[in-house]
Amino acid sequence: GAVVSQHPSRVICKSGTSVKIECRSLDFQATTMFWYRQFPKKSLMLMATSNEGSKATYEQGVEKDKFLINHASLTLSTLTVTSAHPEDSSFYICSARDGALYEQYFGPGTRLTVT
Amino acid sequence: AQKVTQAQTEISVVEKEDVTLDCVYETRDTTYYLFWYKQPPSGELVFLIRRNSFDEQNEISGRYSWNFQKSTSSFNFTITASQVVDSAVYFCALPAPAGSEKLVFGKGTKLTVNP
Repeated sequence: GAVVSQHPSRVICKSGTSVKIECRSLDFQATTMFWYRQFPKKSLMLMATSNEGSKATYEQGVEKDKFLINHASLTLSTLTVTSAHPEDSSFYICSARDGALYEQYFGPGTRLTVT
Repeated sequence: AQKVTQAQTEISVVEKEDVTLDCVYETRDTTYYLFWYKQPPSGELVFLIRRNSFDEQNEISGRYSWNFQKSTSSFNFTITASQVVDSAVYFCALPAPAGSEKLVFGKGTKLTVNP
């Protein structure tokens, strides 16, 4: 199956700093990527839909100025958590859609801890 | 609105037992897709199956089988002769709305298979 990578897999940062998470589709081009957030023992919640070359579409309640998304190429989307706070600590997962209808491939996730 | 309910929060079985994970969904769409994903302790979501609502035939893949009942809006997942490696959280998901690339996930069922 298609491979999606995320980097870093784990990151610890201090409160007030910004953190960038990369999501790459390794063997296919992804015009659309998705960013999810998962709290411990909870389900995945969609944060935003990232479209190559255009602005991301954020879900209701997600602060676009706090969670900056850039989809600069067909294989790379980045999520930047700006001025991170402890409550931003979570597991962030990206997914990418390939040419197959409705099929999304998920990255391995990034565990963010803000101290 | 689209909704996915996985009523079983946690299930624990002994190796070689069969186990069924329930998924009930709500949708206003007449045609739609349904998905199952596996999330092992490592965190990465693994795609298991995509089922079109047109196709109500049960599907079997090795020890995995799926029972889709449109009349009861259920899409249950059965693991036969469970193994320790099957221990994971399993999510059922539905596009929201149909035709959308966004996925709505159930809360997940944590399956623990004990040796």
